[in-house]
Amino acid sequence: GAVVSQHPSWVICKSGTSVKIECRSLDFQATTMFWYRQFPKQSLMLMATSNEGSKATYEQGVEKDKFLINHASLTLSTLTVTSAHPEDSSFYICSARPNQETQYFGPGTRLLVL
Amino acid sequence: GENVEQHPSTLSVQEGDSAVIKCTYSDSASNYFPWYKQELGKGPQLIIDIRSNVGEKKDQRIAVTLNKTAKHFSLHITETQPEDSAVYFCAASIWTGGFKTIFGAGTRLFVKA
Repeated sequence: GAVVSQHPSWVICKSGTSVKIECRSLDFQATTMFWYRQFPKQSLMLMATSNEGSKATYEQGVEKDKFLINHASLTLSTLTVTSAHPEDSSFYICSARPNQETQYFGPGTRLLVL
Repeated sequence: GENVEQHPSTLSVQEGDSAVIKCTYSDSASNYFPWYKQELGKGPQLIIDIRSNVGEKKDQRIAVTLNKTAKHFSLHITETQPEDSAVYFCAASIWTGGFKTIFGAGTRLFVKA
């Protein structure tokens, strides 16, 4: 199956710093990637849709200046959490589509902001 | 918009028994229904999917059924094993100029040895 990687797998940072998370599709090209946030024992919450070569589309309630998304190539999207605060601590998961329908997820990045 | 409901939220079965997870969706235009398995601390893994022009699909111990009229779809796991223990998410995808996927709340499956 299609493989999606994320880096780093976990990160601890101080409040006020920025953190960048990378999402790569390893064996396919993805014009569209997605970023999700997941709280403990909850479902996946879509944050934004990342489109290669254009601006990301953010879901309602997600601050675009807080969560910067860049999709510079067909295999890489990045999410930068700017000026992170403890409430940003969460499990962030990306996904990518090799075709119109099927979505493959990365292994996730656990962020802890102290 | 589309809404996906998933039941039960928790399911405990004995090893070797079958497990069934059910989902309903609200938008009849939805036409793609994937199922994901998420183990603790990992990302969701696609385990099976079904399209609206098919009523049933099977892959070894896993099967999915779809009732378009009732807007129901279900995941069936036979001969469960402890390694099947995980959280399972159903989802429904609808075309809105691009496919939008709505996830269910998840079912935590425990398989007791």
